[in-house]
Amino acid sequence: AQSVTQLDSQVPVFEEAPVELRCNYSSSVSVYLFWYVQYPNQGLQLLLKYLSGSTLVKGINGFEAEFNKSQTSFHLRKPSVHISDTAEYFCASYEGKTGGSYIPTFGRGTSLIVHP
Amino acid sequence: GAGVSQTPSNKVTEKGKYVELRCDPISGHTALYWYRQSLGQGPEFLIYFQGTGAADDSGLPNDRFFAVRPEGSVSTLKIQRTERGDSAVYLCASSLGAGVGDTQYFGPGTRLTVL
Repeated sequence: AQSVTQLDSQVPVFEEAPVELRCNYSSSVSVYLFWYVQYPNQGLQLLLKYLSGSTLVKGINGFEAEFNKSQTSFHLRKPSVHISDTAEYFCASYEGKTGGSYIPTFGRGTSLIVHP
Repeated sequence: GAGVSQTPSNKVTEKGKYVELRCDPISGHTALYWYRQSLGQGPEFLIYFQGTGAADDSGLPNDRFFAVRPEGSVSTLKIQRTERGDSAVYLCASSLGAGVGDTQYFGPGTRLTVL
């Protein structure tokens, strides 16, 4: 069974500083990796995804992530954060199953707290 | 356009009772997913529908949990004989198709509290 590990439960950072949220996944034949953001009192929203091709993936709101197969990682980065980036971030790995479905396994989440 | 909606937003019930949670997906989305998110955890897959049929129910924890989508649009998650351990936020998501590249759009969730 696949697994996703988010190493930091909470990441405090000052506004305009860079940030990296770490995600490691269990190795699988086919890897599809996603990052979602959950703002307070809102549903999860897709930030970016890696399906194939370029290992550097750019998403919304200035976020990017790099797929590293040798380190089984998919860390999320932003060069300069804003107060509005304060939210919960979830990394997810999708696995193809018999019958054609793709079922995600989510990490426990990382709470990004941006201080002024 | 309207996003995914879930009702009720909050549900408090007593141990042993039956509850129904409703999900209205985005119009035209054929795939619909249910997840459960316990406190401090990420969402956990429960079941997914392609059209009216349950294509994968491998995440349902036991036979007290059941879901339907009779007309291929609205879905209802049903929990019988609720237990305190069922307390969680239940999330619904829909997507145009069920491919890995089809973006899932999530609703705000229903917070279920079992006393």
